[in-house]
Amino acid sequence: GAGVSQSPSNKVTEKGKDVELRCDPISGHTALYWYRQSLGQGLEFLIYFQGNSAPDKSGLPSDRFSAERTGGSVSTLTIQRTQQEDSAVYLCASSLNNRDRGRATGNTIYFGEGSWLTVV
Amino acid sequence: AQKITQTQPGMFVQEKEAVTLDCTYDTSDQSYGLFWYKQPSSGEMIFLIYQGSYDEQNATEGRYSLNFQKARKSANLVISASQLGDSAMYFCAMREGTGSARQLTFGSGTQLTVLP
Repeated sequence: GAGVSQSPSNKVTEKGKDVELRCDPISGHTALYWYRQSLGQGLEFLIYFQGNSAPDKSGLPSDRFSAERTGGSVSTLTIQRTQQEDSAVYLCASSLNNRDRGRATGNTIYFGEGSWLTVV
Repeated sequence: AQKITQTQPGMFVQEKEAVTLDCTYDTSDQSYGLFWYKQPSSGEMIFLIYQGSYDEQNATEGRYSLNFQKARKSANLVISASQLGDSAMYFCAMREGTGSARQLTFGSGTQLTVLP
């Protein structure tokens, strides 16, 4: 597709269950990001993948959160034993990996429409 | 210290007027990029405009322009001729470093309401 695609768009789950959120980045984009946005809040960085490099996991809030990116394309964010505080919108984004030459195209990070997670 | 500061939690502007949304940033990197995103109530994050730290001219994209003052470390977004559809949350963000597309750090956002 033309944009970043995320699924499911909405997910309601019971506390303690595991959930998987999927992200399909823009074709050709080597960088992929996961962010979390709680209601009325800004975006919180979770994890970043760049090509075959080791991912930057510095934003993952606990060991219940993990993510993988298979074949350098699709990514899955997994939340184990969900808690009510995990309720948020999970946003995926992707970008090219170009040096900064003052051109917006190579540096722009495009977001998907998010996966709204509600833990009850 | 906050890397991105947006001091206006909410702003109002009359339709057809111009409005400036403030953003200041903090970095020790010489090379960085500054972004503005719009998030309407539907939740999608829409890219508006980008300014590279080495860009000599202020970025412009249609009705959006970025007032980049490097010495003051500010990157204010100016929206000219506001429209009702501009009502949304606006986020300023920064990417530090070059050679790799590192993570974006976001500000807390400004809720803009355009009045008819």
